[in-house]
Amino acid sequence: QKEVEQDPGPLSVPEGAIVSLNCTYSNSAFQYFMWYRQYSRKGPELLMYTYSSGNKEDGRFTAQVDKSSKYISLFIRDSQPSDSATYLCAMSAGNFGNEKLTFGTGTRLTIIP
Amino acid sequence: DAGITQSPRHKVTETGTPVTLRCHQTENHRYMYWYRQDPGHGLRLIHYSYGVKDTDKGEVSDGYSVSRSKTEDFLLTLESATSSQTSVYFCAIRGSGGPGTDTQYFGPGTRLTVL
Repeated sequence: QKEVEQDPGPLSVPEGAIVSLNCTYSNSAFQYFMWYRQYSRKGPELLMYTYSSGNKEDGRFTAQVDKSSKYISLFIRDSQPSDSATYLCAMSAGNFGNEKLTFGTGTRLTIIP
Repeated sequence: DAGITQSPRHKVTETGTPVTLRCHQTENHRYMYWYRQDPGHGLRLIHYSYGVKDTDKGEVSDGYSVSRSKTEDFLLTLESATSSQTSVYFCAIRGSGGPGTDTQYFGPGTRLTVL
């Protein structure tokens, strides 16, 4: 069983809808949680970064962490066609350079105009 | 933009040949990483470096070696390429997006095909 599980999708939603992307994990030592967005044939770009449990909002994006359930979510409000991409969750136990990031396999999202 | 370039961006090679991929950064970051990305596996760490001539293995290091003789360059070498090493390779650096947000930032990737 993988340490981080992420539904690969694909997920298609109409423009303007609220999108919910999720990851579950098994390692209770994870404290730092990230969401990356990856456009086709591009490198992943950091979208959201959170520490421990709680919510963090940045514009149309909200990252939510529930450590008790080992579950993280990314919500996208008022989704746009430009949000069409693969979204990767990532997490680590520490915040040092030698801490390994563990990634989910990614969810492919398409926003339909 | 994390100031990372990778070269080449695309490469096709034959089984058994040596291949070197280059990652170049312009912002003097200490930590650099090499990942491979494959369908169903996500991103997996191959090797990383924590300074000039200081490197360590990741989870999928077999068949790969790295070198870092200058802060700005991190090289990944496949000594004898195999078809199982066909993948997209990403370089990353550890940088800061602001207070308490040190994490990894990725380059554009190199698409390698081993025939």
